[in-house]
Amino acid sequence: AQKITQTQPGMFVQEKEAVTLDCTYDTSDPSYGLFWYKQPSSGEMIFLIYQGSYDQQNATEGRYSLNFQKARKSANLVISASQLGDSAMYFCAMREGPHNTDKLIFGTGTRLQVFP
Amino acid sequence: SQTIHQWPATLVQPVGSPLSLECTVEGTSNPNLYWYRQAAGRGLQLLFYSVGIGQISSEVPQNLSASRPQDRQFILSSKKLLLSDSGFYLCAWTGGSTDTQYFGPGTRLTVL
Repeated sequence: AQKITQTQPGMFVQEKEAVTLDCTYDTSDPSYGLFWYKQPSSGEMIFLIYQGSYDQQNATEGRYSLNFQKARKSANLVISASQLGDSAMYFCAMREGPHNTDKLIFGTGTRLQVFP
Repeated sequence: SQTIHQWPATLVQPVGSPLSLECTVEGTSNPNLYWYRQAAGRGLQLLFYSVGIGQISSEVPQNLSASRPQDRQFILSSKKLLLSDSGFYLCAWTGGSTDTQYFGPGTRLTVL
């Protein structure tokens, strides 16, 4: 079974609008971390936001917020006030366990295109 | 602040030739280091990780190998490249209170 599932291969959003990118995960480990990365056409993976499994509040970083629904095992990324520069691939990733040597498992990504 | 470098940025190599990709991290000590590969249009696959000098863990059996000769240097190698080794190779290090992995700019490898 897929550990990280991103069901939207592509999304379109108009500039200045909000967009939600979906991510569901599967783990039996009570301690885990969820990450979102942005990959523009240059290829570099840019860290956006982190949510720990024990965090009580949804993570926020500027225009990025993570809609964490633990019971549903979902960790959707919300981008508010989209900008043209937000056009990129977005990857959801999970680290199982509390240790920093635990590997990240990535989803297949969602390509976001922001149009004027 | 910490920075991570990779070189070369792009590489075109014939099948059967050797490979050496280098990754270095600045501004931190004793980082955990990772090598990932991304095939075209796909997510990332972890290849190797290292928790210290000379300590390498392999995640996927393949004709690649990794070495960590210095604290902040991580090298990905192959004696003979295959066509299937083509892809985008990313190095990462772990940092911060949440052990977030931060990635380098990547090396795009094409094996012909």
